[in-house]
Amino acid sequence: AQKITQTQPGMFVQEKEAVTLDCTYDTSDPSYGLFWYKQPSSGEMIFLIYQGSYDQQNATEGRYSLNFQKARKSANLVISASQLGDSAMYFCAIKNSGGYQKVTFGTGTKLQVIP
Amino acid sequence: NAGVTQTPKFRVLKTGQSMTLLCAQDMNHEYMYWYRQDPGMGLRLIHYSVGEGTTAKGEVPDGYNVSRLKKQNFLLGLESAAPSQTSVYFCASSQPLLTQYFGPGTRLTVL
Repeated sequence: AQKITQTQPGMFVQEKEAVTLDCTYDTSDPSYGLFWYKQPSSGEMIFLIYQGSYDQQNATEGRYSLNFQKARKSANLVISASQLGDSAMYFCAIKNSGGYQKVTFGTGTKLQVIP
Repeated sequence: NAGVTQTPKFRVLKTGQSMTLLCAQDMNHEYMYWYRQDPGMGLRLIHYSVGEGTTAKGEVPDGYNVSRLKKQNFLLGLESAAPSQTSVYFCASSQPLLTQYFGPGTRLTVL
């Protein structure tokens, strides 16, 4: 079984500041992938960033970076220079590498960027 | 390039009615998934498929059936809708080990 825990139901950040959204995971698979998705109020799910369990470096995509600490089983999302358009729900997810590659999502963090 | 599409976008059903949600993808992905999203619950996996003709149960499969007769389509069926199935339903597709791409969602209300 695999599990994702997002302990921050809601977060506020000042525009142009950086913010970290927490994600811890649990899995018995030696190989897995971690994902972050953004869901704005319009409802669509937007892929942000991916980290493989064997990747040596932390993933980065523009203003998004993933602080991956394998021993602590954490995969926190860091958003630098927050913008008003970053206000949304953010979901962390884990995908195992086995034959049936099941994906499990966390309950999400609602981020609000304050002007 | 449509990506992942879902039909319908909205639907209202009465308790006991049946319906089918259609998911289609044009990216030649092997894997397809159906999720439901409820407030405070995140996305929960209902059923998924790792290829044409195969399906598997996810976290919350009861009350739903699925079929993957063609690689590009994944159907989600509700045989006898219940108010507890009021939710937003998302379909997603991916290649093995790679990112999932989501459809726009279907908002279903069961009265």
